[in-house]
Amino acid sequence: AQSVTQLGSHVSVSEGALVLLRCNYSSSVPPYLFWYVQYPNQGLQLLLKYTSAATLVKGINGFEAEFKKSETSFHLTKPSAHMSDAAEYFCAVSDGGRGYKLSFGAGTTVTVRA
Amino acid sequence: GAVVSQHPSRVICKSGTSVKIECRSLDFQATTMFWYRQFPKQSLMLMATSNEGSKATYEQGVEKDKFLINHASLTLSTLTVTSAHPEDSSFYICSASREGNTEAFFGQGTRLTVV
Repeated sequence: AQSVTQLGSHVSVSEGALVLLRCNYSSSVPPYLFWYVQYPNQGLQLLLKYTSAATLVKGINGFEAEFKKSETSFHLTKPSAHMSDAAEYFCAVSDGGRGYKLSFGAGTTVTVRA
Repeated sequence: GAVVSQHPSRVICKSGTSVKIECRSLDFQATTMFWYRQFPKQSLMLMATSNEGSKATYEQGVEKDKFLINHASLTLSTLTVTSAHPEDSSFYICSASREGNTEAFFGQGTRLTVV
């Protein structure tokens, strides 16, 4: 079984500051890991994914994440926050099986201060 | 490519009635579709996995007779909430994946309000 834990339900950053969202996973098999962003009343948009290739993954909108097996972590970062980054962010894990069934973390709400 | 469309985006229905939500893969064949439920300020909870041409697999605690899922074609899955009650009010999201691809693509969600 797979699961993820997102540390911090709410993160507030100043515009231009570093964004760091934490995600730790638990998996009995090599995991596939994902970060999604959700804007109010919308579906999920994929930011980036790790599927056993490079451990440093670059995604859209300037986000990146690093897979650290020793720490069972997949933290999301962005060097400089923009107002448009205010949203809900979900970390998810899959066992890579058919259809990529996902288990989601509880989510982290990001607010950006001007 | 890889667009998933959900319809309707919002629906209000009376208690006791049924409502159908459609999930379509517009530009690919979706061998598997997933249905999630999301309560306000909470994460997505998987309700069921739907494979084309076979019965859906429901997660523990999800009433299969209340949440009817049909995946009759490779581009369409439907979720029918039967005899809806106010506690069924929620945000429902589908996702679809295709063979050989390493991600699932999400619909825009459906806000269901039962009054």
